[in-house]
Amino acid sequence: QAVVTQEPSLTVSPGGTVTLTCGSSTGAVTSGHYPYWFQQKPGHAPRTLIYDTSDKHSWTPARFSGSLLGGKAALTLSGAQPEDEADYYCLLSYSGARPVFGGGTKLTVL
Amino acid sequence: QVQLQESGPGLVKPSETLSLTCTVSGRSISSGDYFWSWIRQPPGKGLEWIAYMYISGGTYYNPSLESRVTISLDTSKNQFSLRLTSVTAADTAVYYCARGHNYWGQGTLVTVSS
Repeated sequence: QAVVTQEPSLTVSPGGTVTLTCGSSTGAVTSGHYPYWFQQKPGHAPRTLIYDTSDKHSWTPARFSGSLLGGKAALTLSGAQPEDEADYYCLLSYSGARPVFGGGTKLTVL
Repeated sequence: QVQLQESGPGLVKPSETLSLTCTVSGRSISSGDYFWSWIRQPPGKGLEWIAYMYISGGTYYNPSLESRVTISLDTSKNQFSLRLTSVTAADTAVYYCARGHNYWGQGTLVTVSS
């Protein structure tokens, strides 16, 4: 089974910009992995922010965006707010339709 | 807006079977070509995909759990279910149901302990 890797932790200043990445042990991440990004705050269920690399839900704040960057999926937060402090998980789909979650990134806004 | 709610025992004994149900409201599980998922999260750890099933019948399981897991749909009740056999303490987790990967239930904690 593939391993999906994320930065364990990142820190961003309020108002700053940060990019979280999501890599695959099998090689470059492509749109064919249909990358998803989820935000999870303590005691709450995950909330989907980005699907299919860069598509947003109606509830996704405009400051979040998804892309492919350097062979990885990327989630960029531009203009970080204190309420963005959370755990972020990516999800990649592989052949055989088996999805794999990344280990998560703990984002601190400080 | 579709809503999902997990239900089931919060405590299961080792070696027994964990059974959970997800009740869907706001949308028929028979409408649209969506898949219906189960995901879990051990305390303090990351997310793990367990299984999903299409209304058309295609079913996919996490290879590490495949021998112990069954997912099923009950369209008459607008529910879908998870069965996990021969549980151990390692199966203690918050279990989430979801439509696709986009709409999630609030999760239910299942503890495996004697």
